[in-house]
This record gives sequence, C-alpha cells and structure tokens, in this order.
Amino acid sequence: LAKTTQPISMDSYEGQEVNITCSHNNIATNDYITWYQQFPSQGPRFIIQGYKTKVTNEVASLFIPADRKSSTLSLPRVSLSDTAVYYCLVGGDNQGGKLIFGQGTELSVKP
Amino acid sequence: SQTIHQWPATLVQPVGSPLSLECTVEGTSNPNLYWYRQAAGRGLQLLFYSVGIGQISSEVPQNLSASRPQDRQFILSSKKLLLSDSGFYLCAWGRSNTEAFFGQGTRLTVV
Repeated sequence: LAKTTQPISMDSYEGQEVNITCSHNNIATNDYITWYQQFPSQGPRFIIQGYKTKVTNEVASLFIPADRKSSTLSLPRVSLSDTAVYYCLVGGDNQGGKLIFGQGTELSVKP
Repeated sequence: SQTIHQWPATLVQPVGSPLSLECTVEGTSNPNLYWYRQAAGRGLQLLFYSVGIGQISSEVPQNLSASRPQDRQFILSSKKLLLSDSGFYLCAWGRSNTEAFFGQGTRLTVV
C-alpha cells in the first residue's frame, strides 16, 4: 500500500483558494488517488478521484503531476462550511479489499 | 441507488458489557465492507474489512470481532467492553479499493 503524507492542519479565510498537497512516493502503476472530506461526527464523503493530469468537478480540482508522486486538492473560494478534515488515499484493486486512511489535513476556514 | 444503514447513532455501555453494532447495505451486491474507529481528534483506524460472506480480515488485534453473516450485513461485536473501546465507529462499503461510502456512525461511550 502506498503511504501518504499530508500537512496535519491548514488555515484559510473565506473566499480564498486552498491547495492541499499529498505526497505518495510509492504509488503503484494501477493506483488511483482519491480525496475525502469529513465533518465532525460524520463519516468521510468522497470528493474527487483521479489517475493523472487534472480532474475537476463541481466541488474541487485535483492536480496530479506526470510522476504521480504527489497530488494537490484545490478548493476554490472556500467558505466556512468547508472547514473539515481532508484525506488523501492512494490505492488500486490489487490490495485485496484493504482501504487505509491517513491522519488527514484539518482545514480551518476563518471569516 | 445504494444506501448504508448503521445503528444505533449513540450508545452508552458499562465496562464489561457486550457490544453489537450492525451495518447493512442496500442496492448493491458483494460489496467490500469495512469497520473503522475514530478516537477524538484522531484519524480513522481500520478495524476489520471483508470482501465476501464469512471472509473477515482483522487489522488490529483488540477486544473486538466482526462477522458477515449475509452478503450485505456486517456486525461488530465485543464480549466485554473496555473503557478504551470508546470512540466513533464507522461502517463503510465499497466496490473497489479506490472508494468507500460511509454510514452515519455510532458514538460509543464506555462508562
């Protein structure tokens, strides 16, 4: 399983763009990169997933460089409601079902 | 569409009492099933996962056990709870190693 490293916490202000970077030096060829968001007392929810280059949806963008050893979750114009913990996961279908979350990045958005 | 049900939402149990948390999934077949625990202010710890009926993989040796008596049912149990078993328990399902969909969680307090 590819190990991931993220900053433990980040602070931002409303209206700013937030970029959270995840390092995954041991990513395998078949691995995908997936980001989740977790609010207090709730389960994590899927935000975005990608394999290479750039993926964008209505919530966020995911940037993956050519070597795929890192990825960056970009949240445009954050609001107070984006305050949450963000997890980066790396994995593929060759892991026999195991799905391990790291410590995540606690994002605090201030007014 | 797929849904996951986890109950109860909150539970207060005395030390030494048994535990049974149930999770069921609807709208899919042969899902991967997961039990996670989250201590206050900490990340998600994978406790058990299952890729099929009767197939349980344990990640952390502890005072808990899991069973999968039916395809879409996952049960977390303990014969005698310890204070250290307190936490937020989350059940999840997935179709691959790249995604997981979580229930609402059970807040367990052992007193």
